[in-house]
Amino acid sequence: GEDVEQSLFLSVREGDSSVINCTYTDSSSTYLYWYKQEPGAGLQLLTYIFSNMDMKQDQRLTVLLNKKDKHLSLRIADTQTGDSAIYFCAEGRGGADGLTFGKGTHLIIQP
Amino acid sequence: DTGVSQDPRHKITKRGQNVTFRCDPISEHNRLYWYRQTLGQGPEFLTYFQNEAQLEKSRLLSDRFSAERPKGSFSTLEIQRTEQGDSAMYLCASSLADGSNEKLFFGSGTQLSVL
Repeated sequence: GEDVEQSLFLSVREGDSSVINCTYTDSSSTYLYWYKQEPGAGLQLLTYIFSNMDMKQDQRLTVLLNKKDKHLSLRIADTQTGDSAIYFCAEGRGGADGLTFGKGTHLIIQP
Repeated sequence: DTGVSQDPRHKITKRGQNVTFRCDPISEHNRLYWYRQTLGQGPEFLTYFQNEAQLEKSRLLSDRFSAERPKGSFSTLEIQRTEQGDSAMYLCASSLADGSNEKLFFGSGTQLSVL
């Protein structure tokens, strides 16, 4: 079956870079996603990467994909207090399978 | 605001009661999804609609759960004879499936507490 794994917590200092890691098992995944969830809110799509890409950059966000190892990472440059949230990695092919989410990584920002 | 909206935001009910949630997707989106999220977990897929047709249901969706999308626009999720284990955040998402990347946009969810 499909499985997406993430570490539960990451603590970084304000201004440093945060790197959130994710591994997945479904080699047929077409797209991989990063979502952000703030307390009491729904999920906000941050970025995504197509499975034939290695890297995607979008302002402070950099996504790296190692398809061979089924490893995905999200780097947030110059982490700010507003980045404090739970970050979910998700993989999917759309349609009948929906998206399969990890359990989320709590990003904690230290002043 | 043209995002996905869900109503109510919070629902408290007694065990055995029926509850119904509503989701209004982004207007031009043809797919609508329901997910359930419990504390400390990621969202789990429940079911999805392509226009008004319900095309897939997860095994998590017991017989007490029913979802409809009668005109291919808004959707309702009903839970009959609620149990304490149904307590969770119920998330709705919509997308435009056009053959390329399918991006799901989520609503803020309905938090259900069954006492």
